[in-house]
Formats: sequence, structure tokens, C-alpha cells
Amino acid sequence: QKEVEQNSGPLSVPEGAIASLNCTYSDRGSQSFFWYRQYSGKSPELIMSIYSNGDKEDGRFTAQLNKASQYVSLLIRDSQPSDSATYLCAVDNAGGTSYGKLTFGQGTILTVHP
Amino acid sequence: SAVISQKPSRDICQRGTSLTIQCQVDSQVTMMFWYRQQPGQSLTLIATANQGSEATYESGFVIDKFPISRPNLTFSTLTVSNMSPEDSSIYLCSVGQQGIVFGSGTRLTVV
Repeated sequence: QKEVEQNSGPLSVPEGAIASLNCTYSDRGSQSFFWYRQYSGKSPELIMSIYSNGDKEDGRFTAQLNKASQYVSLLIRDSQPSDSATYLCAVDNAGGTSYGKLTFGQGTILTVHP
Repeated sequence: SAVISQKPSRDICQRGTSLTIQCQVDSQVTMMFWYRQQPGQSLTLIATANQGSEATYESGFVIDKFPISRPNLTFSTLTVSNMSPEDSSIYLCSVGQQGIVFGSGTRLTVV
């Protein structure tokens, strides 16, 4: 059973702080990792993808991947109330011709309070 | 990234009936994926739809309950058959091209 686990929430941070979201996965063969943001009543929105060890930065978002530890994280700098949402970690186990077949974590609810 | 149009956006259905959900992609894609998101839960993959072949279903999902069509490289449908209240969920399609993106979802309520 391929599993993806996210740090239990909900997570509450003050505006301007750094929000840290964590995710571990069980399948060492996993090759692609994604973070989605989902607002209530909306579909998931891709905010970061990462494929190799290290950090990947995009604006206020930084994804970190450590394949040896089977760990992926998302940092949100200068958190804003508009960042309040559920964040979903997703792992693509299949790779190759089945790219897009994702296993999701249970999600972490983030609240950024003014 | 690809853009997916999904419809209907929501529906309320009687138990025992069926609903067909459509997804149209603005570019040709090899595979499309169908997910279910039950209330308060994360997403679970139902099946992978390839053009020209039968869909591949994940454990716990069967073709008789969730028949899928994939007539061409830009379109797919998922039918939720013989519905019960337990089928009340959000159903989403996705494609994996230059980033895995989702349609807007279909919120299904079975009464």
C-alpha cells in the first residue's frame, strides 16, 4: 500500500509568518511530488512540483525534497490570509507512461490569521 | 498547462439513478484520470482512462459502478451508476501534461 502522510493539522500561523507543511511517503520508487492548494468548494490548484532532491523556490513558496528520508515539505513565507486553505501533498508513483497517477495525503488545513 | 472543462458542476440525484460527468481538455492528452473526494476527505484515484482501450480501475472501484468512456484524446466521461447516498462526493478529472491539473469538479449529492 503506497501511503502519503501529512503533518496533522490544523495549522494556524499569524500573518507574515512562515508556514511549514510536511509530508512523508512510503514508496521509494516515487519520482514526482506535488503540492496543491484547495479552497473550500473548489478543485485542487497546483502550486509546486518537485522532482529532484533539494529546494525549489517559486515566489513565496519553497518546496524541499529529500528522497533518502522520503520527505517533502512546503514552506510559505510571508503568509497571507488568502493562503488559508487545505494543502494537499501528492506523489506520483508510477512515473513513465502513467505520469499523473497520484496518491494524495490527507491534507493539512492552514489558517493565517491577521 | 492544459485547461479542463468539466460538467456538470453540481447535481442532486435520486438514489438508483445514474449521472454522467464530462471532461473536455483543450489539448490532446494520452491519459486522463478520474478522482473522487468524499466529504472532508482527500482525493482518491478511481481509474485511468486511455484512448482506445478500457480504463484501468483502482482497488475498490469497478467498471459496472463507474463506467468510463474515452472516445478521443481530448474527451472522457465518467458515469456513476445506480447511485446511493454514499456516492455523494466531488468527482474530478485530471490530466498530466506540463503539470498535473484538475477540472473544476462535479459536486454530486444523492438523495
